[in-house]
Amino acid sequence: AQRVTQPEKLLSVFKGAPVELKCNYSYSGSPELFWYVQYSRQRLQLLLRHISRESIKGFTADLNKGETSFHLKKPFAQEEDSAMYYCALNDRGGSQGNLIFGKGTKLSVKP
Amino acid sequence: GAVVSQHPSWVICKSGTSVKIECRSLDFQATTMFWYRQFPKQSLMLMATSNEGSKATYEQGVEKDKFLINHASLTLSTLTVTSAHPEDSSFYICSAARTEQETQYFGPGTRLLVL
Repeated sequence: AQRVTQPEKLLSVFKGAPVELKCNYSYSGSPELFWYVQYSRQRLQLLLRHISRESIKGFTADLNKGETSFHLKKPFAQEEDSAMYYCALNDRGGSQGNLIFGKGTKLSVKP
Repeated sequence: GAVVSQHPSWVICKSGTSVKIECRSLDFQATTMFWYRQFPKQSLMLMATSNEGSKATYEQGVEKDKFLINHASLTLSTLTVTSAHPEDSSFYICSAARTEQETQYFGPGTRLLVL
């Protein structure tokens, strides 16, 4: 079965430190992976998707099919990056737009 | 652009009553809308996918008669929790997409508490 695993519930770093939020997936086909972010008291919003290969707010994520991972990275964390981050997989074989979410990782960036 | 609203933002109801939650795309037409449910400290779980003008597609384990979904227009989808029970208490989130291939834009969610 398709699954998205985010092993860390909470990740705490200091401002300026590198940050890596881990995401592993299990899917037999060709997955489409996303990172969503939810800032405090705000709605869930798309941060980036692997097919775009773009950098948003300094974050990047590379799909590693060998390790079935899609870790989110930023070289220098900022306080405003503190939020809940969800990794998601688009199951193209299922119903249209079926997003399978991980449980999320709360990132706390300390001053 | 691409703003999605939900109404109400929170609702408390008695067991046995029905509750309707609206999801609106405010500045774009959404061919497809999705309904998710999130329990405390859990992930979002897709409940159903609705396409304008057709019946919703429910995920396995989601009762169609319990969670009625209507997507009557390109800007509005409704989720009705029928005969609500305390175990239906949860955070319900909708998302909308212009087409099935495009990005989903999420609503702010509706917190339901059934007493």
